[in-house]
Amino acid sequence: NAGVTQTPKFQVLKTGQSMTLQCAQDMNHNSMYWYRQDPGMGLRLIYYSASEGTTDKGEVPNGYNVSRLNKREFSLRLESAAPSQTSVYFCASSFPMGQPETQYFGPGTRLLVL
Amino acid sequence: GEDVEQSLFLSVREGDSSVINCTYTDSSSTYLYWYKQEPGAGLQLLTYIFSNMDMKQDQRLTVLLNKKDKHLSLRIADTQTGDSAIYFCAEGITGGGNKLTFGTGTQLKVEL
Repeated sequence: NAGVTQTPKFQVLKTGQSMTLQCAQDMNHNSMYWYRQDPGMGLRLIYYSASEGTTDKGEVPNGYNVSRLNKREFSLRLESAAPSQTSVYFCASSFPMGQPETQYFGPGTRLLVL
Repeated sequence: GEDVEQSLFLSVREGDSSVINCTYTDSSSTYLYWYKQEPGAGLQLLTYIFSNMDMKQDQRLTVLLNKKDKHLSLRIADTQTGDSAIYFCAEGITGGGNKLTFGTGTQLKVEL
């Protein structure tokens, strides 16, 4: 099993460009998440999907959109990138309504917006 | 909203014990978690504690929970260079399904 995979690993964008970050998991998890990690701020939840066909906003959703394409895939789109979106983006997935909550993380996408 | 706080840095000598502290705000969290992030990688679950416990031991790791003060700590005994990483505490969000709120992370540096 590959676990949680993310593409690309690294991306440089110019302000105003758009891009989609891809995430896939092969663990048959229902729930998937997108976080951003910034120095001194920990991980902040951007969007999540509790199950296929549903998505909800997290703590910092502005400037982002998501698509839960199927049970395996959850993509994050930046329609018009801004320098404030320079960050490391992590995708995660978890057992359905599992407690304790074990979230499995991908390796991250490092995004630089110039 | 929820706020989980940690100190940003901790430096210890190899072989010493490390204690990483965390304060949280949601007193109704069922579980509290410690995740580890090695350089260039995603987070991995290290251990967790159920909220009705005050201590959990797992090999070199000891988790202490003080519910009254909303304080969580992670003690690593006999710290090794391979323990150098960022450690995040996290709490479940009440009524938030599977969502977690993560702390700011503590970067642990182990020196020879």
